[in-house]
Amino acid sequence: AQSVTQLGSHVSVSEGALVLLRCNYSSSVPPYLFWYVQYPNQGLQLLLKYTSAATLVKGINGFEAEFKKSETSFHLTKPSAHMSDAAEYFCAVSVFGSARQLTFGSGTQLTVLP
Amino acid sequence: GAGVSQTPSNKVTEKGKYVELRCDPISGHTALYWYRQSLGQGPEFLIYFQGTGAADDSGLPNDRFFAVRPEGSVSTLKIQRTERGDSAVYLCASSTPGGEQFFGPGTRLTVL
Repeated sequence: AQSVTQLGSHVSVSEGALVLLRCNYSSSVPPYLFWYVQYPNQGLQLLLKYTSAATLVKGINGFEAEFKKSETSFHLTKPSAHMSDAAEYFCAVSVFGSARQLTFGSGTQLTVLP
Repeated sequence: GAGVSQTPSNKVTEKGKYVELRCDPISGHTALYWYRQSLGQGPEFLIYFQGTGAADDSGLPNDRFFAVRPEGSVSTLKIQRTERGDSAVYLCASSTPGGEQFFGPGTRLTVL
């Protein structure tokens, strides 16, 4: 079975500061890893995904994440936060590829302070 | 094009009642998923369809929950004898085989 742990249910950063959202996974087989963003009253939107190619993955809106097998981590970063980045972020793992069920973390609410 | 749509957007019911939640996937997407998101939690997998058949229903919590997709497109999640603990946002997603899952806005179910 696979699982995801997101450290920090709430993260606050100042506008222009570095965003770092932490995700650690557990999987008995090589995983596929995803970050989703959820804005209020909207569906989940895929930010980026790792599917065993390059370990540094670039996504939409300036976000990127690095797969570190030795640390079982897939942390999400963005060099400079914008007010529009305020949302809830979910890390997810799949062991069958994106065509099968996703196991999500409990989410991190990002607040961007002016 | 149109995304995944879910109806109703909100549903309030009384304990013990039966409810149906509908999902219209993106046209051409053969895979369809249902997830449940409780307050303060991430989505939890319920069931996955490939075409008309349920390929994996291991996430359904008990036999009060059932889902169908009779023509391989629209899906309905059915909950019998609702309980207060069923209150959550029910999310639907669809994808092409091996493709990204696109999520709908969800149905917020409240059981009084």
